[in-house]
Amino acid sequence: DTGVSQDPRHKITKRGQNVTFRCDPISEHNRLYWYRQTLGQGPEFLTYFQNEAQLEKSRLLSDRFSAERPKGSFSTLEIQRTEQGDSAMYLCASSFPGLRRVETQYFGPGTRLLVL
Amino acid sequence: AQRVTQPEKLLSVFKGAPVELKCNYSYSGSPELFWYVQYSRQRLQLLLRHISRESIKGFTADLNKGETSFHLKKPFAQEEDSAMYYCALRDSGGGADGLTFGKGTHLIIQP
Repeated sequence: DTGVSQDPRHKITKRGQNVTFRCDPISEHNRLYWYRQTLGQGPEFLTYFQNEAQLEKSRLLSDRFSAERPKGSFSTLEIQRTEQGDSAMYLCASSFPGLRRVETQYFGPGTRLLVL
Repeated sequence: AQRVTQPEKLLSVFKGAPVELKCNYSYSGSPELFWYVQYSRQRLQLLLRHISRESIKGFTADLNKGETSFHLKKPFAQEEDSAMYYCALRDSGGGADGLTFGKGTHLIIQP
């Protein structure tokens, strides 16, 4: 297991197009998080899943964004009608909080999105 | 609303000198604090968390609830410590599980 993987690593799209990103968590990690990072900022939380249930969504997640984790394994993040402001690094993280106080989120390499 | 502030965008020190990266937070509940590090061309990874009270790669951080701070310290900097450092917060009381990050501090260790 090489850790959290994300695909694609880079995506260039035109404004108005839809894009979809995939995240494969570490095996047996039941929690999966999505973050967005823009230039000069730290990662910003978007949403997270426990197994297949989406338990929390940030106010940053507009109605153009949708995330799924259909079988509790990999997850997809779709952005509809992309805007230039969506240009960012999209990070995925996974964890297994067996004991919540020692939960560690392991991050993937990210998908860099550029909207022209 | 919770907030994490890292006042220094860039910190440059010489090898062997002490390092302190500042982190202040604003949160009304019971916070859990972390330091994450990102080395060049690598992914973001956990460096340490306040509840563990451990030293990792010579770094320590103490949670000061009175000053709402969680500064990261190392007595003698090494060149391999050059990286982006992010302070992060999460509610420990069963609330939101997403991390709130600061904007990060770019640490450069000069030879």
